[in-house]
Amino acid sequence: GQQLNQSPQSMFIQEGEDVSMNCTSSSIFNTWLWYKQDPGEGPVLLIALYKAGELTSNGRLTAQFGITRKDSFLNISASIPSDVGIYFCAGQTGANSKLTFGKGITLSVRP
Amino acid sequence: ETGVTQTPRHLVMGMTNKKSLKCEQHLGHNAMYWYKQSAKKPLELMFVYNFKEQTENNSVPSRFSPECPNSSHLFLHLHTLQPEDSALYLCASSRKSGGTNTGELFFGEGSRLTVL
Repeated sequence: GQQLNQSPQSMFIQEGEDVSMNCTSSSIFNTWLWYKQDPGEGPVLLIALYKAGELTSNGRLTAQFGITRKDSFLNISASIPSDVGIYFCAGQTGANSKLTFGKGITLSVRP
Repeated sequence: ETGVTQTPRHLVMGMTNKKSLKCEQHLGHNAMYWYKQSAKKPLELMFVYNFKEQTENNSVPSRFSPECPNSSHLFLHLHTLQPEDSALYLCASSRKSGGTNTGELFFGEGSRLTVL
């Protein structure tokens, strides 16, 4: 089946640093999404990407839809303690198809 | 506050118990979902309802029984579960746009289930 690969499982950064996360697949996806899950909460949508090559920002977050449609990355600039959480990528192959999720990357930010 | 409310937040049950999880959305969405979240695994889709009709059952064992009485409410009835069913169960909703379910899901906070 389709899989989305996110690695490493955990990342540790210093407050104020930038961080980049990748999501890759051997399959083509036509929609890429990034979600964040805070401890004890459900995932929250950060950014949705609908077009190959698209670069979209949401505050300090920037995400790109890879030109091959097989990858996406998420950048967080000038990290702050509340950026701590699990970041999931998700992909959708077509209209009405179910979402495929990655395993997530747990981000820790040291003050 | 995402507009999707799940109760209970925590549930401990024995293998012979019957219990239910409840989800309510206040967003006017017409698609609702149940996902299972286990440690170190991707979110697993269990069921999808569109306009109260079940459109996806992702090979879920019959000990999990969903019910969608209207577009705002979704239940997951649990019966004779196994310890490996212990997980966080997440409800989500989305709107249909032009006949398409977008991937933009709004999740509840989840119900943490422990099966003894």
